[in-house]
Amino acid sequence: DAGITQSPRYKITETGRQVTLMCHQTWSHSYMFWYRQDLGHGLRLIYYSAAADITDKGEVPDGYVVSRSKTENFPLTLESATRSQTSVYFCASMAGTGELFFGEGSRLTVL
Amino acid sequence: GENVEQHPSTLSVQEGDSAVIKCTYSDSASNYFPWYKQELGKRPQLIIDIRSNVGEKKDQRIAVTLNKTAKHFSLHITETQPEDSAVYFCAASPYGTDKLIFGTGTRLQVFP
Repeated sequence: DAGITQSPRYKITETGRQVTLMCHQTWSHSYMFWYRQDLGHGLRLIYYSAAADITDKGEVPDGYVVSRSKTENFPLTLESATRSQTSVYFCASMAGTGELFFGEGSRLTVL
Repeated sequence: GENVEQHPSTLSVQEGDSAVIKCTYSDSASNYFPWYKQELGKRPQLIIDIRSNVGEKKDQRIAVTLNKTAKHFSLHITETQPEDSAVYFCAASPYGTDKLIFGTGTRLQVFP
């Protein structure tokens, strides 16, 4: 099906472990984004990508790593998870109009 | 960098009343201002947007106004209905970038 999908939808991990959240879109949108959503903070931009092999930091990039080897995929890796990274993570891609299309979100709990 | 402030954080209205949510931005060169609605447990979705060359835009019961001089923009919902209950986010796109910086959100509750 066309669209944007995230996996896993739910993840529980422990402090210090590496976690990768996957994002896949079928529209061939150039721009993709990762946001985290926390109560009181809204949606904060972690990283974004303008095209394959082009990535840039957002508002809160520390502790995260991204890659974009293919246009359709934009994985987000937490190299050593911390409790402060417990959050809901949303991936999004941008249409030519500027509209963001969000995935369903990945709820991550770091114990 | 761009900073977007949004008020109020919560808003309760009676069905049929109007609701207004306000946002201010810091980068005077920002040129695109969308509003997203997020229902409980769902993903955010675009409901309306405005660009810096327009002062007001309407779509049925919702409207957005932009005051570039004051660097603020507002979402107006008229004749509110229970299904309008959700979290609303404003955002701004700094000039020369394709990223969106979001406000902290407003939880709107419409009581029947």
